[in-house]
Amino acid sequence: KQEVTQIPAALSVPEGENLVLNCSFTDSAIYNLQWFRQDPGKGLTSLLLIQSSQREQTSGRLNASLDKSSGRSTLYIAASQPGDSATYLCAVRSSGSARQLTFGSGTQLTVLP
Amino acid sequence: KAGVTQTPRYLIKTRGQQVTLSCSPISGHRSVSWYQQTPGQGLQFLFEYFSETQRNKGNFPGRFSGRQFSNSRSEMNVSTLELGDSALYLCASSVGQVLDTQYFGPGTRLTVL
Repeated sequence: KQEVTQIPAALSVPEGENLVLNCSFTDSAIYNLQWFRQDPGKGLTSLLLIQSSQREQTSGRLNASLDKSSGRSTLYIAASQPGDSATYLCAVRSSGSARQLTFGSGTQLTVLP
Repeated sequence: KAGVTQTPRYLIKTRGQQVTLSCSPISGHRSVSWYQQTPGQGLQFLFEYFSETQRNKGNFPGRFSGRQFSNSRSEMNVSTLELGDSALYLCASSVGQVLDTQYFGPGTRLTVL
């Protein structure tokens, strides 16, 4: 059974800092990994999707990497802003019989002005 | 393009009642998935539909059911509501089944009294 872990559970940084969020998963048989952000009481916003054959994806100030063999992904946020404050979730699409999206518990990020 | 829409946004029910939630995917998307989000359990997969067929089911009791219509719109039903069913129910759509970005709706907040 796929398990996804995100560390740390919460992170507080001053505005302008670069930061890294971590995601690890137990089963490397995956189709892809997706990063989302969730604002309080809202749905999820897709940030980046990395297919299993890819090593990284970039969108603006965001860069996500994937090391499938070690079961790890990182989300790098450059020059953080208060508007980046949210909970960041990673989700893995397994390629086994289940093929469902399994989510980590998220990292709650606060960027202080 | 309009995003994923979910109705109703908020719902209050009492134990023993049943409820039906609705999800309209992004135009052209054929896959719809449902998730339950609670503070204690995080995001948990309920089921996935593609072309009107349930392709995947999570580990939830039979009180939770769903269906998808020919226009890709989906409904989920929870019968004999329990207090523990109080949660944010999220719907996500994608073009295909496993390789595509999942786009989430704003969710339906269900409170069971």
